Amino acid sequence: AQSVTQLGSHVSVSEGALVLLRCNYSSSVPPYLFWYVQYPNQGLQLLLKYTSAATLVKGINGFEAEFKKSETSFHLTKPSAHMSDAAEYFCAVRPPGKSTFGDGTTLTVKP
Amino acid sequence: DAGVIQSPRHEVTEMGQEVTLRCKPISGHNSLFWYRQTMMRGLELLIYFNNNVPIDDSGMPEDRFSAKMPNASFSTLKIQPSEPRDSAVYFCASTPGGPITDTQYFGPGTRLTVL
Repeated sequence: AQSVTQLGSHVSVSEGALVLLRCNYSSSVPPYLFWYVQYPNQGLQLLLKYTSAATLVKGINGFEAEFKKSETSFHLTKPSAHMSDAAEYFCAVRPPGKSTFGDGTTLTVKP
Repeated sequence: DAGVIQSPRHEVTEMGQEVTLRCKPISGHNSLFWYRQTMMRGLELLIYFNNNVPIDDSGMPEDRFSAKMPNASFSTLKIQPSEPRDSAVYFCASTPGGPITDTQYFGPGTRLTVL
């Protein structure tokens, strides 16, 4: 069975600083990994996904994530935080069919 | 494209009442998912359909919950009778093809409050 662990339920950074949101997974089969963002009172939107192609995945809004099999990690990064990045971020792992989501990390961006 | 449409956006009901949540997936999408989100349990997959057929309903909490997809453009999630612990935000999502690798497109959610 697959599972996802997001380290840190809250992350706070200053505007312009590096954003690093951590995600570790466990999966008995090669995983497909996803990062989603949720803004208040909205549904989840896909930021990026890894489906066994390039290990460094670039997503929308300047985010990227690197799949590291040896570390079973898929951390999300952005070089320079913007105020509009404040939201909740979810890491998810699939297959098979089911989606398993992490508990989410709330990102706060300070001016 | 209108995106995934859910209705109602908010529902407040009393314990014991029947609740029906509705979802219209993106046209042409083959897979549909129902999720529940709460502070305590996070995002939970309740059930998903592929080509209108329920594939995995192991996430459905109990017999009070049922879901149907009578055609490719409509799905319902019904709770009968509802209980206060069912209070949550319920999301519907759809994918263009198979349920494994395709991007899920989420609706705005239905916020359910059971008093």
